[in-house]
Amino acid sequence: EPEVTQTPSHQVTQMGQEVILRCVPISNHLYFYWYRQILGQKVEFLVSFYNNEISEKSEIFDDQFSVERPDGSNFTLKIRSTKLEDSAMYFCASSTTGAGYTFGSGTRLTVV
Amino acid sequence: GESVGLHLPTLSVQEGDNSIINCAYSNSASDYFIWYKQESGKGPQFIIDIRSNMDKRQGQRVTVLLNKTVKHLSLQIAATQPGDSAVYFCAERDSGAGSYQLTFGKGTKLSVIP
Repeated sequence: EPEVTQTPSHQVTQMGQEVILRCVPISNHLYFYWYRQILGQKVEFLVSFYNNEISEKSEIFDDQFSVERPDGSNFTLKIRSTKLEDSAMYFCASSTTGAGYTFGSGTRLTVV
Repeated sequence: GESVGLHLPTLSVQEGDNSIINCAYSNSASDYFIWYKQESGKGPQFIIDIRSNMDKRQGQRVTVLLNKTVKHLSLQIAATQPGDSAVYFCAERDSGAGSYQLTFGKGTKLSVIP
């Protein structure tokens, strides 16, 4: 069964520091996504990425966030200057054009 | 049912019974729906999906029903097992405007009593 792989599983960072969350999507998928889930709340969309550019983003995805696909396999989410309220589980997902949304196991980001 | 604040609605069922988890979605233009299972500390795991041109779809031990008239989606789990204990989310997508993002519901916690 193909998987979306995320690293690290847990990241602790000081407020104001930059973090990079990494993902390896499923190899034949075309769309890549980042979602986040604050503890006890629902999963929220951050951004989608297709054909090497952002195709959609939510209000949460402000100038502090950026995404990149630096090579043919990795997909990264960077938070430039972390805030306490950025503490959450961050999920990477990938899909084919119409279906097959598969999520990774997530990175738990704790900002202290 | 829907959650209030941070509290998830909880459904407790006896092992072997059938479970029905409900979801009210908000966008009448949504054309694709997915049910996900989330265990503690893990990512959403795909269970079953349905497109808006269908009203029922069956998988292994699971059935999804879609009622577009009242914007309601349900997940039926047959012969519920302890391993089914998790939080279940419905997700919807409106691809009419070229969007592929999923919008998640608030989740229902299923507890299976052995």
